[in-house]
Amino acid sequence: AQSVTQPDIHITVSEGASLELRCNYSYGATPYLFWYVQSPGQGLQLLLKYFSGDTLVQGIKGFEAEFKRSQSSFNLRKPSVHWSDAAEYFCAVGDGRDDKIIFGKGTRLHILP
Amino acid sequence: DTAVSQTPKYLVTQMGNDKSIKCEQNLGHDTMYWYKQDSKKFLKIMFSYNNKELIINETVPNRFSPKSPDKAHLNLHINSLELGDSAVYFCASSQGYSYNEQFFGPGTRLTVL
Repeated sequence: AQSVTQPDIHITVSEGASLELRCNYSYGATPYLFWYVQSPGQGLQLLLKYFSGDTLVQGIKGFEAEFKRSQSSFNLRKPSVHWSDAAEYFCAVGDGRDDKIIFGKGTRLHILP
Repeated sequence: DTAVSQTPKYLVTQMGNDKSIKCEQNLGHDTMYWYKQDSKKFLKIMFSYNNKELIINETVPNRFSPKSPDKAHLNLHINSLELGDSAVYFCASSQGYSYNEQFFGPGTRLTVL
């Protein structure tokens, strides 16, 4: 069965600094990969997704992620964070065999002024 | 207009009671989901319905019974509530499979005393 790991429970960066959130997945074939963001007290919102093709995908709010098959990773990046980016970020994976995606345990992003 | 709405937003109840959470989406999607998010923010799928047909039933106790009267609604009824049922429950919808963007409701925080 597929699984997804987010090694960092909390990440703190200064406003304006660059950001990278890590995500590793376990699956034999090419998975479907997602990043969702959850602002405090809100539901989740899709930032970006990867199914196939170009391994660097662009998302909303200035985020991008890169699929690296050799490392089984799908890390999320942003060149310059804003205070409004403080939220919980979830990586998720689906394998195409059933209609469900598995979420990682999330990374809480804190922004220092 | 709220795309995916849930009622109530907060639900506090005693052990052993029966309660329902309602979900409605106005996006015209044909697939709806229920997720449970525990106190550690771990998000796990419970059920999914496609065109009112149950697709995913993810080893959830029989005390949980989803009902989909039409494509726009997916309600969750919980019998004999237990302390461990305390969590935030999210409804979501998508067009077609879960690999398409899922739109999440704001969540219902259930507290069982």
